[in-house]
Amino acid sequence: GQQVMQIPQYQHVQEGEDFTTYCNSSTTLSNIQWYKQRPGGHPVFLIQLVKSGEVKKQKRLTFQFGEAKKNSSLHITATQTTDVGTYFCAGNILTGGGNKLTFGTGTQLKVEL
Amino acid sequence: DAGITQSPRYKITETGRQVTLMCHQTWSHSYMFWYRQDLGHGLRLIYYSAAADITDKGEVPDGYVVSRSKTENFPLTLESATRSQTSVYFCASRRDDYGYTFGSGTRLTVV
Repeated sequence: GQQVMQIPQYQHVQEGEDFTTYCNSSTTLSNIQWYKQRPGGHPVFLIQLVKSGEVKKQKRLTFQFGEAKKNSSLHITATQTTDVGTYFCAGNILTGGGNKLTFGTGTQLKVEL
Repeated sequence: DAGITQSPRYKITETGRQVTLMCHQTWSHSYMFWYRQDLGHGLRLIYYSAAADITDKGEVPDGYVVSRSKTENFPLTLESATRSQTSVYFCASRRDDYGYTFGSGTRLTVV
């Protein structure tokens, strides 16, 4: 079945450092979504990318969708303690039953002062 | 996120018992989903529903049953709970072809 892999699994950074997580799919995606889950919380939708090569920004967060629509990345510039959490990518493929998201395993980010 | 609620928040049950997790959304979203979250596995889809009375299996459906008689409710039943079903369960709904909104989750422990 389709797999969505994320690396790294964990990342510790000092506050102010940059952070990047990468997402790779074994199949072409119709779109990709990114979610953030704070410790003890639930996943919260951040953004959706649809077009090949698309780049979107949300303040210090930059999201990219690869040209082949099989990979994506999330880059955070100058991390803050509020960025702590697990970041998940989720790929959407078209199936006979409609779109179903397949989540990556997530990257847990810890930010130290 | 007040529009999608899950109950209970925590549940401890014994092996072999039947347990139902509730999910209610107030937006009339067509699509609803049940995921389980375990360390090392991320979020895995159990069942989903495209509309009332339409449900389909996800990646890990064995041991679970769902129903959707009304658009706003999507209960998940563990027919005979096993220890391997100890997990955090998230319900989600989707507005059109956009991001999912998740409930706060149910932490289930099977002893």
